Amino acid sequence: DIQMTQSPSSLSASVGDRVTITCRASQNIGNSLNWYQQTPGKAPNLLISAASSLQSGVPSRFSGSGSGTDFTLTITSLQPADFATYYCQQSFTTLYTFGQGTKLEIK
Amino acid sequence: QVTLRESGPALVRPTQTLTLTCNFSGFSFNTDGMCVAWIRQAPGKALEWLALIDWDNGKYYSTSLKTRLTISKDTPKNQVVLTMTDMDPVDTATYYCARTYWGKSFDIWGQGTVVTVSS
Repeated sequence: DIQMTQSPSSLSASVGDRVTITCRASQNIGNSLNWYQQTPGKAPNLLISAASSLQSGVPSRFSGSGSGTDFTLTITSLQPADFATYYCQQSFTTLYTFGQGTKLEIK
Repeated sequence: QVTLRESGPALVRPTQTLTLTCNFSGFSFNTDGMCVAWIRQAPGKALEWLALIDWDNGKYYSTSLKTRLTISKDTPKNQVVLTMTDMDPVDTATYYCARTYWGKSFDIWGQGTVVTVSS
């Protein structure tokens, strides 16, 4: 199975900051990488698909980039609603795998 | 509007078989490319994909759990069922079903159903 490794595991930031979360795949997955946001007690919400395609309704301060094995999720000008846990997930194979998550906390 | 809703027992005894149902609306397995997956999340842990069934009745399972899982669908009822045998306390988790089109991303999720495995 393809292993997905996120870094950092947790991150403290302030409202208005710019943050970057990294996801690395154990093999080349092209652009088959998705990002989800999850708040406590809620189901995950798809933010970005195919590495960089922003889902409808997701604020433009979220962006994704990368291809092959290295990917990033960037959030510019953090808002209070952005403090959550973020997961990457590969869809290159039908043996889907998620990263371990990055918890974004308020500093 | 696309919605999915999971249902099943809240408490399961060790060694028992868990049966979960996902009822959905707003899409159909009569559409080529339509798939439904099951994903779980143990308390405080990451998401773990379990199984997927596609419009053509193709079935895919987690490598580590495939001997315990069975996924099926009832197209007219807009329903997907997941069974997991030989339940253990480590299987305590919130179980989600989610839609995916051509298996690209899980774009719509159910609210999840909490399953506790305990004697």
